[in-house]
Amino acid sequence: DIQMTQSPSSLSASVGDRVTITCRASQSIGSYLNWYQQKPGRAPMLLIYAASSLQSGVPSRFSASESGTDFTLTISSLQPEDFATYYCQQGYSTPQVTFGGGTKVEIK
Amino acid sequence: QVQLQQSGPGLVKPSQTLSLTCAISGDSVSSNSATWNWIRQSPSRGLEWLGRTYYRSKWYNDYAVSVKSRITINPDTSRNHFSLQLNSVTPEDTAVYYCARIISVAGTNWIDPWGQGTLVTVSS
Repeated sequence: DIQMTQSPSSLSASVGDRVTITCRASQSIGSYLNWYQQKPGRAPMLLIYAASSLQSGVPSRFSASESGTDFTLTISSLQPEDFATYYCQQGYSTPQVTFGGGTKVEIK
Repeated sequence: QVQLQQSGPGLVKPSQTLSLTCAISGDSVSSNSATWNWIRQSPSRGLEWLGRTYYRSKWYNDYAVSVKSRITINPDTSRNHFSLQLNSVTPEDTAVYYCARIISVAGTNWIDPWGQGTLVTVSS
């Protein structure tokens, strides 16, 4: 299985901060990398697909990039509704899609 | 807009069978560009893909190695839904179970949407 390693596992930030979350794949996955946001008691929601494409309806303060097997999710100016847990997911090795361990973004 | 609505019991006894159903609206279980999946989430195992069913001129299934001997996923074209059965459950199968569509477009794929989730507790 392809392992996805996210860092940090949690972070504290203030409204208006720039936040960066990293995900590293254990092998090359091309651009088969997606990002999800999950709020407590809710299902994950797609934010970014194909490494850097913003899902329809997702605010433009969310962006993502890739460099080899390293992928980055950036929130340019953190808003109150962005406090949640974020997951990366690789879709290269189907059907066995795998997820990162999550990054919990908390209020400082 | 595609929506997935899950149903099924939230409590299952050890050694019995976990059964969940996922009703699809806005798409077809027979779609040629989607697969229909079950994923679970627990504190100990994180998000774990369990299996899928899909139609490409005929029906196919794939299952995770970790549950392959115990799992069945079936489509139901008359009701436009798909189901999960997991046999011989133990407390380690306690998790939130999600149904989800994986859409494949132009050489990439992503999970959207997800069902609302069902917390299944395995306990006597």
